[in-house]
Amino acid sequence: SQKIEQNSEALNIQEGKTATLTCNYTNYSPAYLQWYRQDPGRGPVFLLLIRENEKEKRKERLKVTFDTTLKQSLFHITASQPADSATYLCALVGLTGGGNKLTFGTGTQLKVEL
Amino acid sequence: ETGVTQSPTHLIKTRGQQVTLRCSSQSGHNTVSWYQQALGQGPQFIFQYYREEENGRGNFPPRFSGLQFPNYSSELNVNALELDDSALYLCASSLGTGQYYEQYFGPGTRLTVT
Repeated sequence: SQKIEQNSEALNIQEGKTATLTCNYTNYSPAYLQWYRQDPGRGPVFLLLIRENEKEKRKERLKVTFDTTLKQSLFHITASQPADSATYLCALVGLTGGGNKLTFGTGTQLKVEL
Repeated sequence: ETGVTQSPTHLIKTRGQQVTLRCSSQSGHNTVSWYQQALGQGPQFIFQYYREEENGRGNFPPRFSGLQFPNYSSELNVNALELDDSALYLCASSLGTGQYYEQYFGPGTRLTVT
C-alpha cells in the first residue's frame, strides 16, 4: 500500500544550526511533493513545492531535495531560529484520485532552542 | 484579499448528534477541499468540491457529506457522530483542481465528540 513516512520523534536543535527533516514514500511516483508548516491549532501553511524532475529547490533559508530513486525528500532549514519551531508536514499530490488532492505524512515536530 | 475562513472555531458535540462546519474560500477560488486531522497525525483528505459538484472523495463513510454554494463557500456535515470524529477539520481552497493549483488552508474547526 502507499505510505508516506516522516520522523515521528521530535527534532531538537540549537539556534543557528541546520535542521534536516526527512520524508519517505513507498509504492507511488508523485508528480510533485510539497512541504507545509503547521503551528499548534492552526491550519498548514504552504512553504515549498518540488517537482519530480527537480533535484533541489531553495527559498530564503529553506532548501528541499527530491530523490525519486530513493523515494525521499529532505527539507533543510539553515541558520535555524526559535521562530522556526513548529510541525513540518510533507504532502504528495494525486495519491487520492488525482488533481491537487493532498496526501500528508504525519509530520515532524521541530524545536529550536536558544 | 481575504483568506480562507472557517466557523466555528471550536465545537463540542455528543455522540450520535449531527454537526455542520462552514468554510469561506479565498476570493476567486472555485475549489474547496476538506481534511480531517486527528491529534498527532497529518491531515486526511475527506472530499473536494469544484463548482458545486463533488470532485473526489477519500476513505470516509457516507455520514460525511458536503455542499458547495454558488459563491463557492462550503459546508461539511457529519451525521451520527462517533468519538473518533474528534479532530481538527481543515478546509482548503484553490483556483482549480489541477495538479499545480496550490491549496490555501483555513485555521480549522476543532470538533470534540463526548
